Amino acid sequence: QKEVEQNSGPLSVPEGAIASLNCTYSDRGSQSFFWYRQYSGKSPELIMSIYSNGDKEDGRFTAQLNKASQYVSLLIRDSQPSDSATYLCAVVAYSGNTPLVFGKGTRLSVIA
Amino acid sequence: KAGVTQTPRYLIKTRGQQVTLSCSPISGHRSVSWYQQTPGQGLQFLFEYFSETQRNKGNFPGRFSGRQFSNSRSEMNVSTLELGDSALYLCASSFGSEQFFGPGTRLTVL
Repeated sequence: QKEVEQNSGPLSVPEGAIASLNCTYSDRGSQSFFWYRQYSGKSPELIMSIYSNGDKEDGRFTAQLNKASQYVSLLIRDSQPSDSATYLCAVVAYSGNTPLVFGKGTRLSVIA
Repeated sequence: KAGVTQTPRYLIKTRGQQVTLSCSPISGHRSVSWYQQTPGQGLQFLFEYFSETQRNKGNFPGRFSGRQFSNSRSEMNVSTLELGDSALYLCASSFGSEQFFGPGTRLTVL
């Protein structure tokens, strides 16, 4: 059973701080990793994808991947109240035709 | 480019009825995946269609079925609805490995 684990939170950070969200996965053969943001009552929105070890930066977001330790993280710099949402980690086990496996999400609350 | 569209957005049904949900993917995307989201279970994969063929299937009973048409539009059907089928049903389309979600259909079973 392929699993993706996230701390459910809530994770509370003050406005302007760095929010750090973590995700571990069970399948060592996993190839592709994604972070989605989901506001309450809305559908998930893709914010980052990462495929190789290391860091990938996009604006205030940085995704970090460590395949040896089987974890992927998302850093949000200069957190804003508008970043308050649930963040979902998703993993594809192999390249090609296998479905995404989602974690249950971490709820982030940015306090003004 | 227009995003993924889903219809209807909200549905209320009673136990035992059946329901059909529709999804139109982003233009050029040939893969459509369906998910069920509930507060307790999170996002659970239902099935994926690619070029009118079911490519993957999740662990749901046979009451849940789907299909894809030649224009890549997809439908999912749930027969003999149960109270536990109340959920947000999400469709996602993809060209490569990145999936993009539609707004979802909120199904309430009474």
